[in-house]
Amino acid sequence: AQRVTQPEKLLSVFKGAPVELKCNYSYSGSPELFWYVQYSRQRLQLLLRHISRESIKGFTADLNKGETSFHLKKPFAQEEDSAMYYCARGSNYKLTFGKGTLLTVNP
Amino acid sequence: DTAVSQTPKYLVTQMGNDKSIKCEQNLGHDTMYWYKQDSKKFLKIMFSYNNKELIINETVPNRFSPKSPDKAHLNLHINSLELGDSAVYFCASSHQPGGEQFFGPGTRLTVL
Repeated sequence: AQRVTQPEKLLSVFKGAPVELKCNYSYSGSPELFWYVQYSRQRLQLLLRHISRESIKGFTADLNKGETSFHLKKPFAQEEDSAMYYCARGSNYKLTFGKGTLLTVNP
Repeated sequence: DTAVSQTPKYLVTQMGNDKSIKCEQNLGHDTMYWYKQDSKKFLKIMFSYNNKELIINETVPNRFSPKSPDKAHLNLHINSLELGDSAVYFCASSHQPGGEQFFGPGTRLTVL
């Protein structure tokens, strides 16, 4: 079974500090990986997908096939980054989500 | 607005009742999904439909019956509601199976 692991349930940093949200996936072929974000009382929205290799809101994520990881990084966290972040793997007809990491950026 | 919409946003009901949640997307997508987000914020796939056909039923009790009258709609009917059904239910759609999914605002179901 495909698994997506986000080891940190909670992550708290100060504004301006670097942040890294970890994600590991179980190896199986060529994965399609995503980061979704859910701000308080809002719907899930796509933040990044690995094939686009772009930076959104200062966040980047690099797929490391050797380590089967897709960690999300931002060099300088902002208070508005506080949200629930989900790593997800796409495969036929579904997304398999990690359990999510609640990021809190303190002033 | 192009989007995925769900109704109702909140649903409070008694155990044993039957209820429905509606989902519509105007993105022209062929694939639609239902996810359940539990009290620990864990998201899990329930159903996937492609061109109105059921593709995935992820070990969901048969009290849950999705219905897709057309490609733009995927409704979820729940019979004999139980306390454990309390959750937020998200509808989503995608252009390609397994690709980027667009989510609805969620329906918070509370079973008393």
